[in-house]
Amino acid sequence: DTGVSQDPRHKITKRGQNVTFRCDPISEHNRLYWYRQTLGQGPEFLTYFQNEAQLEKSRLLSDRFSAERPKGSFSTLEIQRTEQGDSAMYLCASSLAGQASYGYTFGSGTRLTVV
Amino acid sequence: AQTVTQSQPEMSVQEAETVTLSCTYDTSESDYYLFWYKQPPSRQMILVIRQEAYKQQNATENRFSVNFQKAAKSFSLKISDSQLGDAAMYFCAYIAGNMLTFGGGTRLMVKP
Repeated sequence: DTGVSQDPRHKITKRGQNVTFRCDPISEHNRLYWYRQTLGQGPEFLTYFQNEAQLEKSRLLSDRFSAERPKGSFSTLEIQRTEQGDSAMYLCASSLAGQASYGYTFGSGTRLTVV
Repeated sequence: AQTVTQSQPEMSVQEAETVTLSCTYDTSESDYYLFWYKQPPSRQMILVIRQEAYKQQNATENRFSVNFQKAAKSFSLKISDSQLGDAAMYFCAYIAGNMLTFGGGTRLMVKP
């Protein structure tokens, strides 16, 4: 297992288009988290899953955002009708439930640029 | 709500010297954990060091150590014998339940 994988690494899209990102966590990790990081800032929590259940969503996650983890393995984050303010790095992380206090393992992120 | 504050947007250090990065946090919880993460340019975030709030002893990992002051809600990171590879964004983070909360980060520059 090579860690948390995110695809694509970079995405440039026109305003108004829909985009989808994928995250593959460490295989034995049942928790998966999505964060957004704007330039020069710390990551901000968006949502997390335990297995296939989405347990918490931030108010940052507007109705244009949706995340899924259908089989409790990989997850997708979709942004509909993208806006320039959506330009950011989208980070995925994973952990074992009950071991989140040991920290998360992060992927390299997907950098979204909306033009 | 828990907050994490890093008051130093940028720091610089001479190679082989020591630097301290500051972090304060606000919480009403008694059981929590604190972390420092390193994010090199265009690379993934990696865990540097972890501190359990119920432990008085400061955590140490090789050249990295922390000064944890629970009453003051302060959690600083000391990097000794700084190396060029230490140049990165450093984030202080906190967790008391299910969600890791990050500070705004400190950019560390290392001068050769």
